[in-house]
Amino acid sequence: QAVVTQEPSVTVSPGGTVTLTCNSSTGAVTSGDFPNWIQQKSGQAPKTLIYSTANRHPWTPARFSGSLLGGKAALTLSSAQPEDEADYYCLLYFGGPHPWVFGGGTKLTVL
Amino acid sequence: DVHLVQSGGGLVHPGGSLRLSCAASGFSFSSYEMNWVRQTPGKGLEWISYVGSSGSPVHYADSVKGRFTISRDNSKKSLFLHMNSLRVEDTAVYYCVEDWFHYDSDGPKRSDYWGQGTLVTVSS
Repeated sequence: QAVVTQEPSVTVSPGGTVTLTCNSSTGAVTSGDFPNWIQQKSGQAPKTLIYSTANRHPWTPARFSGSLLGGKAALTLSSAQPEDEADYYCLLYFGGPHPWVFGGGTKLTVL
Repeated sequence: DVHLVQSGGGLVHPGGSLRLSCAASGFSFSSYEMNWVRQTPGKGLEWISYVGSSGSPVHYADSVKGRFTISRDNSKKSLFLHMNSLRVEDTAVYYCVEDWFHYDSDGPKRSDYWGQGTLVTVSS
């Protein structure tokens, strides 16, 4: 089964830009892995911000964007706000008997 | 709007059983695959089970295989997780999650919608 890795923690200054990445042990992440980025604020249920690499939901602020970067999935946050402080999880789809694999999550601090 | 409302959960002794339920609304439940995901306290997300749109196939993570059973009732738009032989390490918040697979003008897309979560505590 694949292992998906993310930075454990990242700090960004208010108004700054930061990129989180998601790497797969099976090789380059592609659009066929349908990478999703999930935000979880303290004490809340997870909520997907970006799906299938780069698509936003209606509730996703425009300052969040997704892409593929150097064989990894990437989540870029521009003009970070204090309310963006949260855990961010990458989810990749592999199909078969273990269809979903989550990354370990990145704790984003806005400070 | 997609709504997934979970029920069940609570405190159970090691070796005990519990059933989680997830009531869906706002989408064509019978058309989509469903999953259960859990999160142990202070830890990350772990996929634990999948069920196809018609009720099969089903898949399980090794950590729950042989002890948990996923099922669905499309007529009632409900998803279930039957948990047997519960262990202390099964203590977690359990989430019901829809796999929203669809096509748009750019091709296939896949997203997920989450229930509110329900806490299962296994303790003596």
